[in-house]
Amino acid sequence: EADIYQTPRYLVIGTGKKITLECSQTMGHDKMYWYQQDPGMELHLIHYSYGVNSTEKGDLSSESTVSRIRTEHFPLTLESARPSHTSQYLCASALGGGNTGELFFGEGSRLTVL
Amino acid sequence: GDSVTQMEGPVTLSEEACLTINCTYTATGYPSLFWYVQYPGEGLQLLLKATKADDKGSNKGFEATYRKETTSFHLEKGSVQVSDSAVYFCALSDRRNNNDMRFGAGTRLTVKP
Repeated sequence: EADIYQTPRYLVIGTGKKITLECSQTMGHDKMYWYQQDPGMELHLIHYSYGVNSTEKGDLSSESTVSRIRTEHFPLTLESARPSHTSQYLCASALGGGNTGELFFGEGSRLTVL
Repeated sequence: GDSVTQMEGPVTLSEEACLTINCTYTATGYPSLFWYVQYPGEGLQLLLKATKADDKGSNKGFEATYRKETTSFHLEKGSVQVSDSAVYFCALSDRRNNNDMRFGAGTRLTVKP
């Protein structure tokens, strides 16, 4: 079983609020990722990190930001939430180096912005 | 760049029916191939994988064979159960792209009793 945790699992907030989605893993993985999953199921990579103090934007433009101050922690922040941010957010991690790249996923954070 | 194309859904089957979900890939190198499954309300979890041509991945009665000649990695199961109802994602990773995972669009499977 994967040791990667996301909180909160569900969040309903009003427009304009600042929110942070937490993601932590205890596997010592260098690589961490945030995906946004739309109702049509498709996964869109929005942020990734290859290690401490490394963060990059993914394929899908997002108004969110991330930080990687510790290996195990990769929080995602929205400064001012809008209804268009309503979605499921999935965090994942992987070993670095020459590994095949297998991803371990958290259970997801479902965000609803009213 | 690398990409994955998988069969569009949704797929609806009766219990004990045979399942095939098609997946083809495009890659310049020699990728590793994966199938992930997402049960309702959960994150994705690895179902099976194959790291080189002709390898067969298998798990929970599901199988997929890495076919380099047809650039395919079709998911098969001989007899599905209601508990197999989920979304299935085909994916690849390649060392040339830092082993970052590329996902297909997902195929929703519903198995009816």
